[in-house]
Amino acid sequence: ILNVEQSPQSLHVQEGDSTNFTCSFPSSNFYALHWYRWETAKSPEALFVMTLNGDEKKKGRISATLNTKEGYSYLYIKGSQPEDSATYLCARNSGYKLSFGAGTTVTVRA
Amino acid sequence: DVKVTQSSRYLVKRTGEKVFLECVQDMDHENMFWYRQDPGLGLRLIYFSYDVKMKEKGDIPEGYSVSREKKERFSLILESASTNQTSMYLCASNGQGGYNSPLHFGNGTRLTVT
Repeated sequence: ILNVEQSPQSLHVQEGDSTNFTCSFPSSNFYALHWYRWETAKSPEALFVMTLNGDEKKKGRISATLNTKEGYSYLYIKGSQPEDSATYLCARNSGYKLSFGAGTTVTVRA
Repeated sequence: DVKVTQSSRYLVKRTGEKVFLECVQDMDHENMFWYRQDPGLGLRLIYFSYDVKMKEKGDIPEGYSVSREKKERFSLILESASTNQTSMYLCASNGQGGYNSPLHFGNGTRLTVT
């Protein structure tokens, strides 16, 4: 993988259901992996910064895991709520720059 | 609470105009950044600054310049606006820790060049 890639590009989830999506990145020159949540008409908000292989972080119903050897991170949303509707961005720190993926847009249907 | 403020939410300019986008942060952060966001693409770095009067080119600096005369303020300048600069512009800042430290973003400026 040459760039930071996020999949899927968008997803719809029923309120109350859980979901997850992926950030893939080059495993070489890895320093940190960021996750941000970007709600419409608001500024992107940092969720997690993860640095160690095997890291798991949690914030409320949202959690993330990190595999630096194979170059991927998963973001999980448990029991999705309408307020979880947003675009989720990941970004990889390669030591001299932060490269962003295009985002996964999550829409939670009531 | 941490705050990054961008001067305009929406801006419409004509081709050839000189455009100033202003960004102010109140966190005493050393590092400030300007990104643009276009559909289907990740945030792309235009310029960043790690200190007053210091600036570094990002991935797409062509057609832009920046100014950082005070620590809290980072301005993005479009010397002669063109239609391909129509985009969402985001300012961000962070403190010590470089790219291992989370970015704090402004609300963005949606610029339309006609």
